[in-house]
Amino acid sequence: EIVLTQSPGTLSLSPGERATLSCRASQSLTRNYLAWYQQKPGQAPRLLIYAASSRAAGIPDRFSGSGSGTDFALTISRLEPEDFAMYYCQQYGTSPPETFGQGTKVEIK
Amino acid sequence: EVQLVESGGGLVKPGGSLRLSCAASGFTFSNAWMSWVRQAPGKGLEWVGRIKSKADGGTADYTASVKGRFTISRDDSKNTLYLQMNSLKAEDTAVYYCTDTAPVDYWGQGTLVTVSS
Repeated sequence: EIVLTQSPGTLSLSPGERATLSCRASQSLTRNYLAWYQQKPGQAPRLLIYAASSRAAGIPDRFSGSGSGTDFALTISRLEPEDFAMYYCQQYGTSPPETFGQGTKVEIK
Repeated sequence: EVQLVESGGGLVKPGGSLRLSCAASGFTFSNAWMSWVRQAPGKGLEWVGRIKSKADGGTADYTASVKGRFTISRDDSKNTLYLQMNSLKAEDTAVYYCTDTAPVDYWGQGTLVTVSS
């Protein structure tokens, strides 16, 4: 089973700042099949990024994904008030289970 | 518009059983690989399992903690996904989401399963 480790656990930033979230896999991901999701309280998650760096439909271009192999990142170039939320990475495309990371909370400083 | 609507959640005693359903619409369900994802209260997301389309074999895979207790099935004639949960434990308490397969574009609203005596 591939284990995903997200860091930091919590990121305290101000609106307008840049956020960089990390997701590290315990083994190299097939075809860099890594997704990022945003979740707000009481809501289902929303897909932001798939295949490490492709933005999902309707996602603002301030969200970008990067990385390959075992090290991946989600960058939010300038935080908007609505971006303060939980973020999860998920690996897929290899043998199940399609594991999630434990999450990073982006909170207002 | 894609819709996934879960039902069947509720309170069940440890060792009991529950079956969740997910009614799908807005896409060709029979062609889709479908998954269940759960989230314990205040915790992160956990992939439960997925089922392939019948054209791709129709088999299901599970995370280790539910293997042998949970069964995912589908009825393509009813556009419905199921999660049969047996031998339930307190740690199975969670909101259960019906989703398309990763990367997950579509999520249901979730249904809460509480396992408690």
